[in-house]
Amino acid sequence: NAGVTQTPKFRVLKTGQSMTLLCAQDMNHEYMYWYRQDPGMGLRLIHYSVGEGTTAKGEVPDGYNVSRLKKQNFLLGLESAAPSQTSVYFCASSSRTGNLYGYTFGSGTRLTVV
Amino acid sequence: KQEVTQIPAALSVPEGENLVLNCSFTDSAIYNLQWFRQDPGKGLTSLLLIQSSQREQTSGRLNASLDKSSGRSTLYIAASQPGDSATYLCAVRENSGYSTLTFGKGTMLLVSP
Repeated sequence: NAGVTQTPKFRVLKTGQSMTLLCAQDMNHEYMYWYRQDPGMGLRLIHYSVGEGTTAKGEVPDGYNVSRLKKQNFLLGLESAAPSQTSVYFCASSSRTGNLYGYTFGSGTRLTVV
Repeated sequence: KQEVTQIPAALSVPEGENLVLNCSFTDSAIYNLQWFRQDPGKGLTSLLLIQSSQREQTSGRLNASLDKSSGRSTLYIAASQPGDSATYLCAVRENSGYSTLTFGKGTMLLVSP
């Protein structure tokens, strides 16, 4: 099925470890986003990309890095994980105008940092 | 800074009732508004998308309205069913150089048989 695919779905990290979350979309969308969702805080934007090779900071970018080497992929990296990064991470994509279908979200990655 | 508020935070109704979920936003200069559904432990599923020039959108038992000037949207669910139990999120996309969404914190709906 067309859509946004996130891997892995679950991960447990020790403090200080690094990891990369992968997001892939097959809808030829220009824009891609990484959000985190925490109880009581709602969804907050970490980083986003408006096209291949371009990225920008969102509301809560500290401790994360991103890359978009290919239009269909958007990677979120944690260089040195901290317990405060325990969260559910969602990737999303949209077309440049987003006027037909809005945003499409992946199923999420549940990350626990111990 | 745009802020999105959803009221109530939680709602419990018996099956068959019609119900309304509310969403308000502080900056009326939006591009569109999207309603999502999120089941526990799952991702977000888009329900309805309303452009700023539209007043409402309908899909099956769902109807979403938009009053841009007053900064409000409502999601109406007719003849609720236990399968409607989920968290409903409202999000606005602003008129800006890039199209990010600002989310409300959601309304958790429980429909009892």
